[in-house]
Amino acid sequence: DIQMTQSPSSLSGSVGDRVTISCRASQSISSYLNWYQQKPGKAPKLLIYAASSLQSGVPSRFSGSGSGTDFTLTISSLQPEDFATYYCQQSYSTPPPYTFGQGTKLEIK
Amino acid sequence: QVQLVESGGGVVQPGRSLRLSCAASGFTFSSYALHWVRQAPGQGLEWVAIISYGGSNTYYADSVKGRFTISRDNSKNTLHLQMNNLRAEDTAVYYCARDHFGGLVRGTMLNYWGQGTLVTVSS
Repeated sequence: DIQMTQSPSSLSGSVGDRVTISCRASQSISSYLNWYQQKPGKAPKLLIYAASSLQSGVPSRFSGSGSGTDFTLTISSLQPEDFATYYCQQSYSTPPPYTFGQGTKLEIK
Repeated sequence: QVQLVESGGGVVQPGRSLRLSCAASGFTFSSYALHWVRQAPGQGLEWVAIISYGGSNTYYADSVKGRFTISRDNSKNTLHLQMNNLRAEDTAVYYCARDHFGGLVRGTMLNYWGQGTLVTVSS
């Protein structure tokens, strides 16, 4: 199975900061990489699909990049509502499983 | 609007069985693949299983293969997860999620999620 590794596991930031979260796949997954945001006690929410496409309704301060094995989620200017845990997920495997990264917790500094 | 509502969670002893359900509304249920994803307390997300739009194709995570069965009833807009021989490590919130596509398509995404149902496996 394809393994997904996120870094860092946690980070802190202030409102207005630019932050970057990385995700690495154990083998090439082309651009079949999604990003989700999860707030405590809530279901995950799709932010980015196909590595760089913004899901409808998601603010433009979120962006994704990368292909092959290395991917990045960037928040250009942190807002209070962005403090959450972020997960990457690959959907390259055929057949599944569609594995998730272990998550990155973004906390207020 | 799309709604997914899970039910059936609870406390169960190791080795016993439990059946989860996910009632869907707001979209053409029979046109989309569906997933179960779980999250152990304080842990990350773990993909569990997928079923295609018609139910003919199913796949599982290795951790549940042979113990869990995903199924769907398109006449009732309901997804199920039959969980047998439960273990302590199956304790988690179980989410159902809708796929973007109907079949098993490379590059898909989970664009709608339910709120989850908690399963606790404990003696």
